[in-house]
Amino acid sequence: DTGVSQDPRHKITKRGQNVTFRCDPISEHNRLYWYRQTLGQGPEFLTYFQNEAQLEKSRLLSDRFSAERPKGSFSTLEIQRTEQGDSAMYLCASSSYLWATTDTQYFGPGTRLTVL
Amino acid sequence: QKEVEQNSGPLSVPEGAIASLNCTYSDRGSQSFFWYRQYSGKSPELIMSIYSNGDKEDGRFTAQLNKASQYVSLLIRDSQPSDSATYLCAVNRASVMRDMRFGAGTRLTVKP
Repeated sequence: DTGVSQDPRHKITKRGQNVTFRCDPISEHNRLYWYRQTLGQGPEFLTYFQNEAQLEKSRLLSDRFSAERPKGSFSTLEIQRTEQGDSAMYLCASSSYLWATTDTQYFGPGTRLTVL
Repeated sequence: QKEVEQNSGPLSVPEGAIASLNCTYSDRGSQSFFWYRQYSGKSPELIMSIYSNGDKEDGRFTAQLNKASQYVSLLIRDSQPSDSATYLCAVNRASVMRDMRFGAGTRLTVKP
């Protein structure tokens, strides 16, 4: 399978616990994005990387959220001290951005987080 | 005003009909526009992208873009029950920040 993969697909945790999600992008893609989606809403941008550099972070990304892409390949998103409001689908997308202004993103299957 | 607005629906059409989905956006400098399909509990799947004013056709799908009116639409011809899903409009802003902004989606139901 050469698409974007995410692990785990589902995570149930208790409030206050830390969780970490992993995303493996399409192999030749240099950009990697994290989004959060709640029921009835479109995905909301959290952050993105170009290679290993984290270039942008949304205001939605509180201090409890941290993302890394240490070698410019896979990425991890960690949420510390989870809250019930963190319950959502966390989506990863990747794209191959070169010199053009277009940026077509392909999504992974998502990680559904439930905070009890 | 939301940055990307879509009618939430649900939009219901009979099998074989044309489904018309609409989207407006607020950032006049937006450069690229996308339609994603999302089945319940699944991740968004890219259907079409459009960058220039006019129509772009791909099989049963036609995307239409009018930058002057800040409007983008998706037409689905010969709608099938398998087209029943939520359709997300996404806009790539022309600022330094390269995030994509999504509408809340329009839920389409195609009835046999």
